[in-house]
Amino acid sequence: KQEVTQIPAALSVPEGENLVLNCSFTDSAIYNLQWFRQDPGKGLTSLLLIQSSQREQTSGRLNASLDKSSGRSTLYIAASQPGDSATYLCAVKESGFGAGTRLTVKP
Amino acid sequence: EPEVTQTPSHQVTQMGQEVILHCVPISNHLYFYWYRQILGQKVEFLVSFYNNEISEKSEIFDDQFSVERPDGSNFTLKIRSTKLEDSAMYFCASGGRDRYHYEQYFGPGTRLTVT
Repeated sequence: KQEVTQIPAALSVPEGENLVLNCSFTDSAIYNLQWFRQDPGKGLTSLLLIQSSQREQTSGRLNASLDKSSGRSTLYIAASQPGDSATYLCAVKESGFGAGTRLTVKP
Repeated sequence: EPEVTQTPSHQVTQMGQEVILHCVPISNHLYFYWYRQILGQKVEFLVSFYNNEISEKSEIFDDQFSVERPDGSNFTLKIRSTKLEDSAMYFCASGGRDRYHYEQYFGPGTRLTVT
């Protein structure tokens, strides 16, 4: 059974900092990995999808990497802003969601 | 921009009652999903649906649950006899033309409260 772990569980940084969120998974036989953000009481917003054949994907200030063999993905957020404050989730196929990293960016 | 919509946003029901949650997926998507998230816990997969049949389901998706695509646009989740532990946010999602190469897009969720 796929287990997905996200570290840290919570992170608080001052505005402008670059930061890295981590996601690890136990079964490397994945098709893709998707990063989401979730605002309190809201649904999930897709940020990036990385196919298993890719090493990284970029969208604006976000960069996600994937190392399938080691079972790891990272989400890099450059020049963080208070509006980035949310919970960030990684998901490996349907059945493998991490518990998320709750990010707070302080003005 | 196309989006997944869900109704109602909040449903309150008594234990033992049947509820139907409604979703309208993105129109050209072929894969549809239901997830739930109990307050403060992980998002949990319930079921995926393709070509008018269930393609995969989790252990949570027992005989109390069913899904249906009654017409070309709606996708419903039915819980036959609700229990207190069914209280959660229920999210519908839709994906592209296959399960593996397309992003999933989530709706805003239905908060189900069972009293």
